[in-house]
Amino acid sequence: GAVVSQHPSRVICKSGTSVKIECRSLDFQATTMFWYRQFPKQSLMLMATSNEGSKATYEQGVEKDKFLINHASLTLSTLTVTSAHPEDSSFYICSARRTLSNQPQHFGDGTRLSIL
Amino acid sequence: AQKITQTQPGMFVQEKEAVTLDCTYDTSDPSYGLFWYKQPSSGEMIFLIYQGSYDQQNATEGRYSLNFQKARKSANLVISASQLGDSAMYFCAMSPSGGYQKVTFGTGTKLQVIP
Repeated sequence: GAVVSQHPSRVICKSGTSVKIECRSLDFQATTMFWYRQFPKQSLMLMATSNEGSKATYEQGVEKDKFLINHASLTLSTLTVTSAHPEDSSFYICSARRTLSNQPQHFGDGTRLSIL
Repeated sequence: AQKITQTQPGMFVQEKEAVTLDCTYDTSDPSYGLFWYKQPSSGEMIFLIYQGSYDQQNATEGRYSLNFQKARKSANLVISASQLGDSAMYFCAMSPSGGYQKVTFGTGTKLQVIP
């Protein structure tokens, strides 16, 4: 069964709205989670690394104020797309990894965000 | 820095045949892990197989096997007895060993299984 739950799976909203996406590790504690963005027919682009109890680490070119990340507990990280615009429409997917480094990242099912 | 290269944007394979998806990598890390993920059209990322850089044997998971050639820096995925449900995007990925190291993904290969 799924070990990482991502919610919602699909969001359609008006331009200017803020959208929150949740990522939960279901049967393990994840002090670190990752947020990716994927454009159609392209690979996953890492946006940021979410760290429990501290600030997220953003990749170059990703706006911190636009994509707010909060890692409130050992099993939950949230990504908030603030004041979303049509260019923010994309597939967002989170992942979490168990403690041991030889374990794969487990991915949520992704969130398809459409901004009208 | 790490780099993953998948040179096959698309592949076709006949049902029940085997197929090899290519992956080469570049890294300066002495210890690393290599992964393959499958992404169906529905979007979820499904972990398939893992190979550690110091593992003596090539990894196998059911119909999936990883042809790891360290000297050539290649980690090709072999799918045996292809099924229609294998049609999907396949991503090769790698991560340094130790800690919560981020994963670098290749550009993916779209595999289509023909009946």
